[in-house]
Amino acid sequence: EADIYQTPRYLVIGTGKKITLECSQTMGHDKMYWYQQDPGMELHLIHYSYGVNSTEKGDLSSESTVSRIRTEHFPLTLESARPSHTSQYLCASSEMVAGTEAFFGQGTRLTVV
Amino acid sequence: RKEVEQDPGPFNVPEGATVAFNCTYSNSASQSFFWYRQDCRKEPKLLMSVYSSGNEDGRFTAQLNRASQYISLLIRDSKLSDSATYLCVVFNQAGTALIFGKGTTLSVSS
Repeated sequence: EADIYQTPRYLVIGTGKKITLECSQTMGHDKMYWYQQDPGMELHLIHYSYGVNSTEKGDLSSESTVSRIRTEHFPLTLESARPSHTSQYLCASSEMVAGTEAFFGQGTRLTVV
Repeated sequence: RKEVEQDPGPFNVPEGATVAFNCTYSNSASQSFFWYRQDCRKEPKLLMSVYSSGNEDGRFTAQLNRASQYISLLIRDSKLSDSATYLCVVFNQAGTALIFGKGTTLSVSS
């Protein structure tokens, strides 16, 4: 089993609220990722990081921001949630070595009402 | 052209059937390829890596054709528990992150 954890698993929140989705891994992986997935649709990369103080935007534009202050922690923040942010957010991590698999957390299912 | 394209299916097969999925990718420089499995409302999990020479893991066989830029997954003797969405995964153009196909849905019935 992968040692990567996301909290909360489910979140229902009102429009305009600030939210932070937590992701932690205990595998010592340098690379971490955030993907967004709507039901029945593909995963879209929204953010990734090579290590501490490294953050990059992914292929899908997102209003969220991320930070990487510690290797094991890669939180995602939405300053002002909107209904269009309703989706599943999946965090993943992998070793820095090219070609290695990514391990996923169980995801956070976000609903903005 | 999308970076990774898959036939979405669904593939509806009886138990014991052999089923094959194909996937095409656009990044000719990509060096790493994977098949992931995703159950309904769950996170993706690695099924197998895909090596240049092809590789087999029990009932599952993965093949890579670099010249045509496609990857295949063959499942023999399908089980009910194989019902899931199978995701083709390659590294993006910059080689920085994994890009997922939309997935092919398999439904195995008794």
